[in-house]
Amino acid sequence: DAKTTQPPSMDCAEGRAANLPCNHSTISGNEYVYWYRQIHSQGPQYIIHGLKNNETNEMASLIITEDRKSSTLILPHATLRDTAVYYCIVRVLDTSGTYKYIFGTGTRLKVLA
Amino acid sequence: GAGVSQSPRYKVAKRGQDVALRCDPISGHVSLFWYQQALGQGPEFLTYFQNEAQLDKSGLPSDRFFAERPEGSVSTLKIQRTQQEDSAVYLCASSLVTAAGQGGTNYGYTFGSGTRLTVV
Repeated sequence: DAKTTQPPSMDCAEGRAANLPCNHSTISGNEYVYWYRQIHSQGPQYIIHGLKNNETNEMASLIITEDRKSSTLILPHATLRDTAVYYCIVRVLDTSGTYKYIFGTGTRLKVLA
Repeated sequence: GAGVSQSPRYKVAKRGQDVALRCDPISGHVSLFWYQQALGQGPEFLTYFQNEAQLDKSGLPSDRFFAERPEGSVSTLKIQRTQQEDSAVYLCASSLVTAAGQGGTNYGYTFGSGTRLTVV
């Protein structure tokens, strides 16, 4: 069962910040939130991850609420090449002892010129 | 190469035909995952290898699906007697460390571009 819910689609003007929300209200205390994106006909690409604290790297920022029930991925200056499906993922520890990504259906972000 | 390589890129199979999909992970990567992605959906876990050992195959949808990684590098996903519902993109991902020991550090997966299987 998917542990995340995201809006199915969003538009963003080129050069503006893209803010992609994600709800993960059933997340457990030791489960990380990962964000990946998938450009058409390619495999998913890692963007960023976090547990409790806000995180920033060269691609994006991740803001996690204090109760950890939701998060927001921020692309500070969206470009046309950022058009993709963005997946908010909870990494769970399965009963088999394997960490697994549980993907939802993602948000299709379209950056408009 | 520097990334995860999958072949073939596209495969069309007649219903009932057997298919074999290949994954070349990044050299030295211990963990290898197979995911299935139906049209318009997110990827779903199929199976996990740590080196040559298949530690988790809980996501394989039926006994027609079989995966192997005999020498701990290249992996093959085989589907016997393909059905139309097997049509999907099959993604392979690899990671430097074991999936059971990732803790809190980023050990994000590197995905290949996938094999698009169409069963007609």
